Amino acid sequence: DTAVSQTPKYLVTQMGNDKSIKCEQNLGHDTMYWYKQDSKKFLKIMFSYNNKELIINETVPNRFSPKSPDKAHLNLHINSLELGDSAVYFCASSQGERSARGAFFGQGTRLTVV
Amino acid sequence: KNQVEQSPQSLIILEGKNCTLQCNYTVSPFSNLRWYKQDTGRGPVSLTIMTFSENTKSNGRYTATLDADTKQSSLHITASQLSDSASYICVVSEGRGGSYIPTFGRGTSLIVHP
Repeated sequence: DTAVSQTPKYLVTQMGNDKSIKCEQNLGHDTMYWYKQDSKKFLKIMFSYNNKELIINETVPNRFSPKSPDKAHLNLHINSLELGDSAVYFCASSQGERSARGAFFGQGTRLTVV
Repeated sequence: KNQVEQSPQSLIILEGKNCTLQCNYTVSPFSNLRWYKQDTGRGPVSLTIMTFSENTKSNGRYTATLDADTKQSSLHITASQLSDSASYICVVSEGRGGSYIPTFGRGTSLIVHP
């Protein structure tokens, strides 16, 4: 009955590799997001999709490519991983961008690039 | 540049006591302000949301205030419990091109001791 689920929870990989993080929500929301939380705990929005359409792309390198096959899924593919990509990545969803209930976040994927 | 500053950075209180967390922002044009609670190793959970015309919002023992003139918000926690130990994040969104771009504060780490 998990609302927003991400896989994997932990990901350790070498520099230069390509990896994907999957996200699924079963809340029926129409908007999904990817956030990055760095080592200083700052959260920053990366992407926002509404009904499978990209609506926010906050100056994220082209190596990051989100894919939304349907409203319930928003996957994140990262090419040519760099050390600076190490962070916790959170997927989230909401009903519209101004939902009074806010966004529901997944548990996060801790990515470590070595 | 949009910024959200939170204080204190960390706070330790005894169970049963009240506390107040502060948030100052320079986000423009202002759309809304949210407070999130993030437990260690989990994604953030929305506590309150306020728009420009609202100056107080409660959610159980949590009460948020907003002064849009001075660009300040506070989160007051009443009768703290051990489960309140978490990071509390202030998020201010700007309205831009029909979307809402959030700027996150670094958070206040609250520890409640028995």
